[in-house]
Amino acid sequence: GNSVTQMEGPVTLSEEAFLTINCTYTATGYPSLFWYVQYPGEGLQLLLKATKADDKGSNKGFEATYRKETTSFHLEKGSVQVSDSAVYFCALGLLYNFNKFYFGSGTKLNVKP
Amino acid sequence: EAGVTQFPSHSVIEKGQTVTLRCDPISGHDNLYWYRRVMGKEIKFLLHFVKESKQDESGMPNNRFLAERTGGTYSTLKVQPAELEDSGVYFCASSQEEYTDTQYFGPGTRLTVL
Repeated sequence: GNSVTQMEGPVTLSEEAFLTINCTYTATGYPSLFWYVQYPGEGLQLLLKATKADDKGSNKGFEATYRKETTSFHLEKGSVQVSDSAVYFCALGLLYNFNKFYFGSGTKLNVKP
Repeated sequence: EAGVTQFPSHSVIEKGQTVTLRCDPISGHDNLYWYRRVMGKEIKFLLHFVKESKQDESGMPNNRFLAERTGGTYSTLKVQPAELEDSGVYFCASSQEEYTDTQYFGPGTRLTVL
């Protein structure tokens, strides 16, 4: 079947620390991979995406590389800010069925000044 | 342009009661989706409307859940009767096109069943 597993949180970091949030997936078909972010009191926002193997998605200093050999899509940022505190969700969508996404359980990130 | 809005933001009800959640999609978006996140677990797909028609309701957990989208604009999700395990956050999303990887999400409704 289709599923996403991501590291449990919360993750607490100091400002300017390096961030990695692990995400692995299982999928039938040809998945695209996504990271969504939910800031407090707001809806889910698309952070970045990658549509095929070896693609790198990037946005706002965050990056993730679609690794087909390890079925992974880990989120990284070199220097986090307090404003990055949020819940991060990894997700997959299938090429011919983007009418539903499969999400992970979310990882809460707390960044302390 | 207004985003996806959901009402209420938070609802607390007793087991056995009825609750209705509302979602207003972005204007002009024919596609509307419901998802939910239960007990801090993964966000799961519930169903998808194209205009007023249910395109895919494979994620609806049981017949206590009824989704409607009369007129193809806003949608409601009714839970009747509510059970404890229905507690969670219910998200709505909308998109302009059907087969697209771009869905715009609302802030969610947090439902607590006591």
